[in-house]
Amino acid sequence: SAVISQKPSRDICQRGTSLTIQCQVDSQVTMMFWYRQQPGQSLTLIATANQGSEATYESGFVIDKFPISRPNLTFSTLTVSNMSPEDSSIYLCSVGGASGGAGANVLTFGAGSRLTVL
Amino acid sequence: EDQVTQSPEALRLQEGESSSLNCSYTVSGLRGLFWYRQDPGKGPEFLFTLYSAGEEKEKERLKATLTKKESFLHITAPKPEDSATYLCAVQAKSGNTPLVFGKGTRLSVIA
Repeated sequence: SAVISQKPSRDICQRGTSLTIQCQVDSQVTMMFWYRQQPGQSLTLIATANQGSEATYESGFVIDKFPISRPNLTFSTLTVSNMSPEDSSIYLCSVGGASGGAGANVLTFGAGSRLTVL
Repeated sequence: EDQVTQSPEALRLQEGESSSLNCSYTVSGLRGLFWYRQDPGKGPEFLFTLYSAGEEKEKERLKATLTKKESFLHITAPKPEDSATYLCAVQAKSGNTPLVFGKGTRLSVIA
């Protein structure tokens, strides 16, 4: 399975600032996914990033708040803009691949980026 | 709306004390049910995919089973290294739908 590197691994940010998280994959992949994991909450998909096209955002997430870049098949960035304490969370990059059965999408995750907003 | 509920939220076991984690789900046609393990400071690590009721899969001390409404992750004679958060997720058949995750069960195995 793919190996995913994310950075930063953690950061402490001031309210109103923006932070960009980088995700590097060791192989070419079509789709990359960005998830948010808030304390005590489920992993929630923010958006799907396809190379060469606009990212597709899930309900409740907008491009102005979470702009995504996907310049090539091995790299993506997620920016968390104009941060507030409510954005304190772990942000995870993942890539998918069919498990071989019924096309179910088995995900491989990076280690995550833990953001704390003061 | 697809939903996943995991119970208990936290479970504390003595080493060797077998138990089960529950994942109840509602989905409009199941494509797959997934179990992941997540250690502190790391991303989730894939364990199993189950596709249809009656299916079972095993890996070392872990065994996952599936019915039409729930899945169980059975842990036999656990060791301290099995301590982690276990996540359940489902994917619906319709289109290219994203996985829906539960909140997880935090397992602690005490030596």
